[in-house]
Amino acid sequence: DQQVKQNSPSLSVQEGRISILNCDYTNSMFDYFLWYKKYPAEGPTFLISISSIKDKNEDGRFTVFLNKSAKHLSLHIVPSQPGDSAVYFCAASDPGTASKLTFGTGTRLQVTL
Amino acid sequence: EAQVTQNPRYLITVTGKKLTVTCSQNMNHEYMSWYRQDPGLGLRQIYYSMNVEVTDKGDVPEGYKVSRKEKRNFPLILESPSPNQTSLYFCASSLSAESGANVLTFGAGSRLTVL
Repeated sequence: DQQVKQNSPSLSVQEGRISILNCDYTNSMFDYFLWYKKYPAEGPTFLISISSIKDKNEDGRFTVFLNKSAKHLSLHIVPSQPGDSAVYFCAASDPGTASKLTFGTGTRLQVTL
Repeated sequence: EAQVTQNPRYLITVTGKKLTVTCSQNMNHEYMSWYRQDPGLGLRQIYYSMNVEVTDKGDVPEGYKVSRKEKRNFPLILESPSPNQTSLYFCASSLSAESGANVLTFGAGSRLTVL
């Protein structure tokens, strides 16, 4: 049972435009959400996070939005740059499961010139 | 440089031949974990360790063993590898086992093929 879902396997966006990556979850116990970015032949690297007590968190060009009632979060990248081309994983943690992160299946973002 | 180091990065082996993937971190992190990444399934947790001598199963522990004798090392052992263990493996660590702020630092990955 996939508790964290990223329904778009891939996304292509023009340089300078906004990239919106989506993530849905089913477990209402999740209290913290993270986005990781992964380049080929490298491990995932932490990008941005949000606590369930907030609905928005910004860090430079990256903003994460959380809609708890819809169990949905999204990552906005503005403006998108070619170096943003990577696989993005959404992850969530449940306070009752010893820090385990549950990951989505990932969305491959391609930023074109 | 703060990092998680995994070895080997690439390995091709045959069914039944025991192998160990090593993982070491230099950040004095308490929490360590192993994940495997498979197409269409994302990253799934295999085992984790809250601290030295404390390990527990994740979502997909079958066919794997781990140990945590020292804080910095967390090897993943495949006693009798099978083709369904062909995957990309990641070791990760974080400062503490407290939920919420558990930002994992990942190694570069180990691609394992079992023939």
